[in-house]
Amino acid sequence: EAQVTQNPRYLITVTGKKLTVTCSQNMNHEYMSWYRQDPGLGLRQIYYSMNVEVTDKGDVPEGYKVSRKEKRNFPLILESPSPNQTSLYFCASSSTDYNEQFFGPGTRLTVL
Amino acid sequence: RKEVEQDPGPFNVPEGATVAFNCTYSNSASQSFFWYRQDCRKEPKLLMSVYSSGNEDGRFTAQLNRASQYISLLIRDSKLSDSATYLCVVNGGDSSNTGKLIFGQGTTLQVKP
Repeated sequence: EAQVTQNPRYLITVTGKKLTVTCSQNMNHEYMSWYRQDPGLGLRQIYYSMNVEVTDKGDVPEGYKVSRKEKRNFPLILESPSPNQTSLYFCASSSTDYNEQFFGPGTRLTVL
Repeated sequence: RKEVEQDPGPFNVPEGATVAFNCTYSNSASQSFFWYRQDCRKEPKLLMSVYSSGNEDGRFTAQLNRASQYISLLIRDSKLSDSATYLCVVNGGDSSNTGKLIFGQGTTLQVKP
């Protein structure tokens, strides 16, 4: 089954404790992206990747890192999480940036 | 001004009604336009891409007006199952940020029996 998976789905952590949210797709897509969704602000792009070893900042990259060492995986890293990073996070992939994006189920992160 | 703007609603309509949403975008160089549907904090799913000539898929019609920089979504004969949030999505536009995708905050539709 073609899908985008994210782990964990739910995470409660404390300020400053490094964490990684994994994202994996099995559709051989070149384009992958991370978003956060907050009430009243909609979905905002954090980082995107057009291909392996190619990443670019989206609208809200501060406090986040990503890597794209292989095509299928695009982890999101929070080196020192802060409470303002409490949000719902979505990973997405598509064959190109102008085609349909397939979203993962979301990761609900709470930083205390 | 936000890069992509939508009226958040909510739009409350009876079953069978026709409802239209608009979305304006600020970057005239944008080339790709989409409508996504999102149910109650679940992942967004593509409803339709929006083409320059306009396109229709069953009860749904999408149109693009480049001169005025807006896209629209028309839903005819609304069903209860159409209740959701509809997200307008536009790409960054120029060669330096073509991979950047900008989402509107969404328009909430509630269809009542």
